[in-house]
Amino acid sequence: NAGVTQTPKFQVLKTGQSMTLQCAQDMNHEYMSWYRQDPGMGLRLIHYSVGAGITDQGEVPNGYNVSRSTTEDFPLRLLSAAPSQTSVYFCASSFRDGKLFFGSGTQLSVL
Amino acid sequence: DQQVKQNSPSLSVQEGRISILNCDYTNSMFDYFLWYKKYPAEGPTFLISISSIKDKNEDGRFTVFLNKSAKHLSLHIVPSQPGDSAVYFCAASAGEAAGNKLTFGGGTRVLVKP
Repeated sequence: NAGVTQTPKFQVLKTGQSMTLQCAQDMNHEYMSWYRQDPGMGLRLIHYSVGAGITDQGEVPNGYNVSRSTTEDFPLRLLSAAPSQTSVYFCASSFRDGKLFFGSGTQLSVL
Repeated sequence: DQQVKQNSPSLSVQEGRISILNCDYTNSMFDYFLWYKKYPAEGPTFLISISSIKDKNEDGRFTVFLNKSAKHLSLHIVPSQPGDSAVYFCAASAGEAAGNKLTFGGGTRVLVKP
């Protein structure tokens, strides 16, 4: 009954640090994606994957890397954190129909 | 330039009355539209969707209307309940099978007063 699990829930980084946001789903969804939510701007797509070994860029990919080695996991890596990456990050999974199931989010602050 | 816009950042309505949320889009390639509901400290949850081959879709208290010529859709909640107080996001994709490549609006915060 876990659905989409994101860790950590909160994170504070200093400028230049790197980190990985974890995301796992147990619904056997082929599609997974990462979005960031900023005030007044809704959710914007960072990267997405349509299956293990296949990833592609979304609307705002700069400064982020992803990989998809298994169906279940889709980690998001921040290579060198910047204050502009302060945001709430959501991982989502779905079948092809776009009805996304979201995790509860990671609130990231970059100082 | 935002391709999906929700021009009303907030909406206040009395319990039992109708809530009407509006959404406009500019990309003519969009042909599948969804509404998500979000409570604080939680991820968005899927509410209702509509394909461009339809102009209306209903699910219980929730109805979505699509006007393709105006590139406009709306979500009606009847009757509104206090538990409906949340942020609602409109989203669009180019094709129902576009998977998770959704473009979201900025959201409308709904407050239902008892």
